[in-house]
Amino acid sequence: KQEVTQIPAALSVPEGENLVLNCSFTDSAIYNLQWFRQDPGKGLTSLLLIQSSQREQTSGRLNASLDKSSGRSTLYIAASQPGDSATYLCAVRGDKIIFGKGTRLHILP
Amino acid sequence: DAGITQSPRHKVTETGTPVTLRCHQTENHRYMYWYRQDPGHGLRLIHYSYGVKDTDKGEVSDGYSVSRSKTEDFLLTLESATSSQTSVYFCAISESWAENYGYTFGSGTRLTVV
Repeated sequence: KQEVTQIPAALSVPEGENLVLNCSFTDSAIYNLQWFRQDPGKGLTSLLLIQSSQREQTSGRLNASLDKSSGRSTLYIAASQPGDSATYLCAVRGDKIIFGKGTRLHILP
Repeated sequence: DAGITQSPRHKVTETGTPVTLRCHQTENHRYMYWYRQDPGHGLRLIHYSYGVKDTDKGEVSDGYSVSRSKTEDFLLTLESATSSQTSVYFCAISESWAENYGYTFGSGTRLTVV
């Protein structure tokens, strides 16, 4: 059974720092992995999708990597800003789609 | 969110009453999903659809039913609402199961059962 873990559950960093969010999964037989952002009281916004055949994807200040063999994905945020404060979730798609519980990120001004 | 609309956005209902939530998409995507999101549990799949009249259960389907009579609409019904069904409900759509396709989510429906 696929399990998806995001550690830490919460993270506070000063503005301007680069940071890494982690997502680990137990079954490497996946089709893709998707990172989402969720603001309080809002829906999920897709940030990046990494196909199983890819190693990384980039969008602006965001870079997501995927290492299927080790069951890990990271979301790198460069030069963090207060507007990046949100909860970040990863979703792993194999025969089912399993979500992690998210990392709540707070960027300190 | 562009292309996917959930209604209502908020609802308060009494225990024992039936409730129907609607998800409407304009993307002509084949796959539609209903999730609930609760503190400590994250997102859990209730039901999903892989085509008109084709639906299947997710991990927390007890107490819920769904219908999809048109590509664009996916309805979630709580036959007799209970307090444990107080939650935020999200609809999601996906064009394909292929690896280069992901999910798009609606804005959610906050349901309170009193």
